Amino acid sequence: SYVLTQPPSVSVAPGQTARITCGGNNIGSKSVHWYQQKPGQAPVLVVYDDSDRPSGIPDRFSGSNSGNTATLTISRVEAGDEADYYCQVWDSSSDHPRVFGGGTKLTVL
Amino acid sequence: QVQLQESGPGLVKPSGTLSLTCAVSGGSISTSNWWTWVRQPPGKGLEWIGEIYHSGSTNYNPSLKSRVTISLDKSKNQFSLKLSSVTAADTAVYYCARVSGQQGPADYWGQGTLVTVSS
Repeated sequence: SYVLTQPPSVSVAPGQTARITCGGNNIGSKSVHWYQQKPGQAPVLVVYDDSDRPSGIPDRFSGSNSGNTATLTISRVEAGDEADYYCQVWDSSSDHPRVFGGGTKLTVL
Repeated sequence: QVQLQESGPGLVKPSGTLSLTCAVSGGSISTSNWWTWVRQPPGKGLEWIGEIYHSGSTNYNPSLKSRVTISLDKSKNQFSLKLSSVTAADTAVYYCARVSGQQGPADYWGQGTLVTVSS
C-alpha cells in the first residue's frame, strides 16, 4: 500500500511560518488533503486538492505539492494553530486506497 | 450543513462484534459521496477502516477486511460499521465522515465515539 511520511513534530514561534511536509512516491501526481486535529476533537479539513481552502479556513493556511513532497504552510502562526496535522491521499492503484500520513504535532513555542 | 453523528455501545467484550451507526442530517446519503469510517487508537494517528458509496459499493482497509462490514440504510439516512472478533487493539475513537468524490477529502466528520474492548 501507498505510504505517506510526515515528521513527528514541528516547532515554531508565534508569528513565524510553519511548514509541515508529507512525503510519498510521486505524490505530486495525487491530490493531497490536510486535516487539523486538536485534542479531544474530530479532524477538520484545512486544505484540499493540494492547495484549496474550505470556506472558513484562514488564508494563513496554504498547500503545495510537487515531486515526492507535499507541504502544508501555516503563515503568521498563532497559539491556536497548535494541533496535530495529517495529510491524506487517494491511491487508485492500491488495495488500500485512502491513506493517511502518520501525523505531525505542531508546537507553538 | 451536513452533520454526522455516531452512536453505539462504548464497551465491547473481546471476541465480540463492534457495531456503530452514523446518522446523517442536512443532506441525503444517496448522493455522489463516499461514506467512510476512520478510527484513532488512544494517542495514535488516524486509520482508514473503509467506506461505502450510495450504490452500495465498498472499499475496505486490507488489514481489517476479513472482519469489517459497512452497510447503508437509505430509509434512515444512515450507514453502519460492524467489526467482528475484536481485541484490545481495536480500542479507539471511531469517526464517521463524508468523502466528497472518490479522490476528494473527508469534508464533514462526526464528533467521534470511543469504543473500548474489555471484559
